[in-house]
Order: sequence, then C-alpha cells, then structure tokens
Amino acid sequence: GEKVEQHESTLSVREGDSAVINCTYTDTASSYFPWYKQEAGKSLHFVIDIRSNVDRKQSQRLIVLLDKKAKRFSLHITATQPEDSAIYFCAGENTGYQNFYFGKGTSLTVIP
Amino acid sequence: AQTIHQWPVAEIKAVGSPLSLGCTIKGKSSPNLYWYWQATGGTLQQLFYSITVGQVESVVQLNLSASRPKDDQFILSTEKLLLSHSGFYLCAWSQGAGTGQLYFGEGSKLTVL
Repeated sequence: GEKVEQHESTLSVREGDSAVINCTYTDTASSYFPWYKQEAGKSLHFVIDIRSNVDRKQSQRLIVLLDKKAKRFSLHITATQPEDSAIYFCAGENTGYQNFYFGKGTSLTVIP
Repeated sequence: AQTIHQWPVAEIKAVGSPLSLGCTIKGKSSPNLYWYWQATGGTLQQLFYSITVGQVESVVQLNLSASRPKDDQFILSTEKLLLSHSGFYLCAWSQGAGTGQLYFGEGSKLTVL
C-alpha cells in the first residue's frame, strides 16, 4: 500500500524565517495531499492541500509544492510566528481506496 | 454547517475492562467515516473506515472493533482493554474518496492502567 514519509521529525526556526517540511510518497496513484496541524493535546486541523493536477498552491503564508516525478511534496511556512509552533502531518490519498496515509509528523518550534 | 462530536473526551480504564468510544456527525448525509489511533506523541494509525451504514472495513484491528449503526454514528469498541490501547482516538469524516480533506473530531484520550 501507500507509504508517506515525513523527513524532518523536528524543526526549529527563528520567528520571521521560513520553515520547510518535506514528504515523499510511494504510490504513483496518489492524487491528493493534505497537510494538518496538531497543537499540543488537541486534534488535527486542516491547513492546506494540493491535488496532483497542480504543482503549487498558496494560502496566505502557506505554500505547498508537489513534484510528481520525484514523488515529493513540501510545506513552506513563510514569515513564521510563534503560533505556528505545532506538529505538522502530511498525508496522501489514493483516490481508488478509502484511505489516507499519514507521515509521522514534524514538530515545529518557532523561536521568538 | 457540519459538526463532528466525539465522546467521551477522556477515559481512564482498567486492563481487561470494556470500552466504547463514539462519534456523531451532524449536517452531512452519507459521509465516509474513519477511526484513527495516535500513540502519545506518535504517528496516526488508521484503524477502520466506513462508507455506508452497516459496513465497516478494518485496516488495522489492534483487538478493537467498529460499527456504524446509523448514517451519522461510528462506534469503536472492545470487550477487553490492553495497556497498548492507551492513546488518542480520532474520528474523522470525508465526503468520499477523492473529494477532499478529512475533518477530525476533537478526539478521545484513553488511558489504560
């Protein structure tokens, strides 16, 4: 089945700098890639997604890039703020199945 | 607007005791429903999914079972808890395969002693 690997388990950046989290996937049939944010002790909340028919999507300070050839996608958080500190999960969905496959999460710390 | 409610918020149970966790989705008919388990500080593991009432597919059982008795309700249960069942249980819904994101409930924290 699909496997999603999240490369950074922890990441620290200074406030105002950019943070980049990278994920790779194995199943070429995967076509939808959402990102989720989890604050301490809380559930997951959707932040941004990208579909396989585009290679870039931006929502305010969040940019997600998709490289289908390399089977890689990444989340870029620009002008980071302390409230961006959380665990971020990438995921992939093979639309032929009813499953989302999650990476192991990246704990992002933004240092004021 | 759609809402998803999980219960209980937190539970402390003894090894060997039974468990039932629930999830209700309002404002959306025929959603796909999912149960995920997250060990403390860990990865999300999908346990079950359901695309229609009465049908549940197992992804990883972990000595748990799931049922969908109504269109808007998803239940996770076991008759005998293990220590390894401790963690954070998340219910989620989607509009269907390929339609977009998962919407998560607020989760149920389970501690097994």
